Amino acid sequence: DAGVIQSPRHEVTEMGQEVTLRCKPISGHNSLFWYRQTMMRGLELLIYFNNNVPIDDSGMPEDRFSAKMPNASFSTLKIQPSEPRDSAVYFCASRGTSGPYEQYFGPGTRLTVT
Amino acid sequence: GNSVTQMEGPVTLSEEAFLTINCTYTATGYPSLFWYVQYPGEGLQLLLKATKADDKGSNKGFEATYRKETTSFHLEKGSVQVSDSAVYFCALSDQTGANNLFFGTGTRLTVIP
Repeated sequence: DAGVIQSPRHEVTEMGQEVTLRCKPISGHNSLFWYRQTMMRGLELLIYFNNNVPIDDSGMPEDRFSAKMPNASFSTLKIQPSEPRDSAVYFCASRGTSGPYEQYFGPGTRLTVT
Repeated sequence: GNSVTQMEGPVTLSEEAFLTINCTYTATGYPSLFWYVQYPGEGLQLLLKATKADDKGSNKGFEATYRKETTSFHLEKGSVQVSDSAVYFCALSDQTGANNLFFGTGTRLTVIP
């Protein structure tokens, strides 16, 4: 299995631009998680989906952030408009349907907003 | 509620030294416990896991034992290498799997030759 795939690996954009991050979970997994990691705040859960349905989006910082999972093999995290404080590494992780419920992480997207 | 408290770093050790990173947890029921490792510039990788009391997870020379009586899951390695330099995260999953993993804050380990 190829593992969790994220694209792009690096993104540099200017303040105010729209940014879309993409994730392909491991085939057969039914839960998908988006995280953000910064030096200041560590690892933060933004949102997670079960069976393509958003379950908990309480970690989404504000309305500028949105996430979708149109099917079991694809998810996007969109930031519009982007701001410099959004600069971080964004990780996607997926999880299978049975215990012990470990998550498998992608390599991350390093976002820099100038 | 569920939470994980992890030893604060950073930790700096000489090669071949013994490593312990402490992790304690609070949870209802019977959670599963995990250690993840994050090498520089990479995502988190599952290092080892344990699903019930007294289970010992092990991988790459690392070990951790699920201690329900002390609510702990300390990570140990007998002889660290420079290549073990990374950030280590302790995490738990509740027994239903209905929720997210609960992560500790991470401990940065640097091993010097």
